[in-house]
Amino acid sequence: QVQLQESGPGLVKPSETLSLTCAVSGGSIRGYYWSWIRQPPGKGLEWLGYIYYSGSTNYSPSLKGRVTISIDTSKNQFSLKMTSVTAPDTAVYYCARVLTTFGGDFYGLDVWGQGTTVTVSS
Amino acid sequence: QSVLTQPPSVSGAPGQRVTISCTGSSSNIGAAYDVHWYQQLPGTAPKFLIYGNNNRPSGVPDRFSGSKSGTSASLAITGLQAEDEADYYCQSYDRSLGGFVIFGGGTKLTVL
Repeated sequence: QVQLQESGPGLVKPSETLSLTCAVSGGSIRGYYWSWIRQPPGKGLEWLGYIYYSGSTNYSPSLKGRVTISIDTSKNQFSLKMTSVTAPDTAVYYCARVLTTFGGDFYGLDVWGQGTTVTVSS
Repeated sequence: QSVLTQPPSVSGAPGQRVTISCTGSSSNIGAAYDVHWYQQLPGTAPKFLIYGNNNRPSGVPDRFSGSKSGTSASLAITGLQAEDEADYYCQSYDRSLGGFVIFGGGTKLTVL
């Protein structure tokens, strides 16, 4: 059974870069798309982007330019970098596996990590 | 402002049926993109609840069902139980701006 675990600093200073990693265990990272989602305190879910195991990506239009998702198939993990963070970037950050149809259409997020809290503060 | 609109809250007594709506537009749900639903219990990660409009992942009780029509979708919960009290989110895909994943703002279900 596939499990995901996020890791990274819990505190990031304003204007710096947020870096998180999602380790995939119990299955291969190959053959799937993988996604990052965040949830500010007391608010709803926001999709950040996803990456295919081959490296192709798709990002949220509202964050394009600040977000980069990368993948390391040799380590069975993928990562998120977000530049120039400010207080509104404070959130719980989740990684998740993307379910797709045979035709490659997005079909939901079927496995989620437990989430990691990132606070942006000096 | 979420691209998909959900009611902020719904409530129902144990045993009752409740529905949660999710309204989109011609660039997402109305463009034939599927709708998926998640349940988020307090302090936990979201759980995959419904995919492809009306399919349940293994382990999800058949008390949960989904439907889609036009530019909207709905989640129905029958035989409401105390443990169903949670936040529920719909999700779809939008074809504008090159295509991206969208979430509804979430609905808080209170079991009275």
